[in-house]
Amino acid sequence: NAGVTQTPKFRILKIGQSMTLQCTQDMNHNYMYWYRQDPGMGLKLIYYSVGAGITDKGEVPNGYNVSRSTTEDFPLRLELAAPSQTSVYFCASSPQPGQGGGEQYFGPGTRLTVT
Amino acid sequence: GDSVTQMEGPVTLSEEAFLTINCTYTATGYPSLFWYVQYPGEGLQLLLKATKADDKGSNKGFEATYRKETTSFHLEKGSVQVSDSAVYFCALPNQAGTALIFGKGTTLSVSS
Repeated sequence: NAGVTQTPKFRILKIGQSMTLQCTQDMNHNYMYWYRQDPGMGLKLIYYSVGAGITDKGEVPNGYNVSRSTTEDFPLRLELAAPSQTSVYFCASSPQPGQGGGEQYFGPGTRLTVT
Repeated sequence: GDSVTQMEGPVTLSEEAFLTINCTYTATGYPSLFWYVQYPGEGLQLLLKATKADDKGSNKGFEATYRKETTSFHLEKGSVQVSDSAVYFCALPNQAGTALIFGKGTTLSVSS
């Protein structure tokens, strides 16, 4: 049971380049999330998905896009990379968010630098 | 809106010292509350949780009690170890129940 896996672990992009951060979970969770973590700022939600074919914006969606064609995969797309997108990106999944449940399972993260 | 406030770090302790990391929250109703831990170079993992008022969550020697009177969920450990050095996050679900709201994190550094 691998849990949540993310690739790549590290990436350096030039301004204006595009890339996709991959995320896969093998726990059959309906809910998946993308967060970014900046020093001293905690985690900010970028996008989330409540199931295959359904996605919605989080707190900081600008500059990003997502898709959810399967239960397992939730890729995050950066179309025109900017220095402000330098961050550590975490993917997470959960079976039962909200009251009473809510535990999320996190991947190891992708460290992205845009120069 | 709902929010979480954690004490500022870093917290620097010697091995076997007592640890408290303060967390207070603002929320409608009585949501579940969580503490997550992030070890260097890794993703977040759940440390403990409490799902209703007066519940005590515990794991690996850490404890936190859900206190609705003071809207707090402080993390405590009686005797910290070097291996406890990490960043600790307090969290609660958003009102829609679709994601977690995290505090800014508190860095703990334990020296031998």
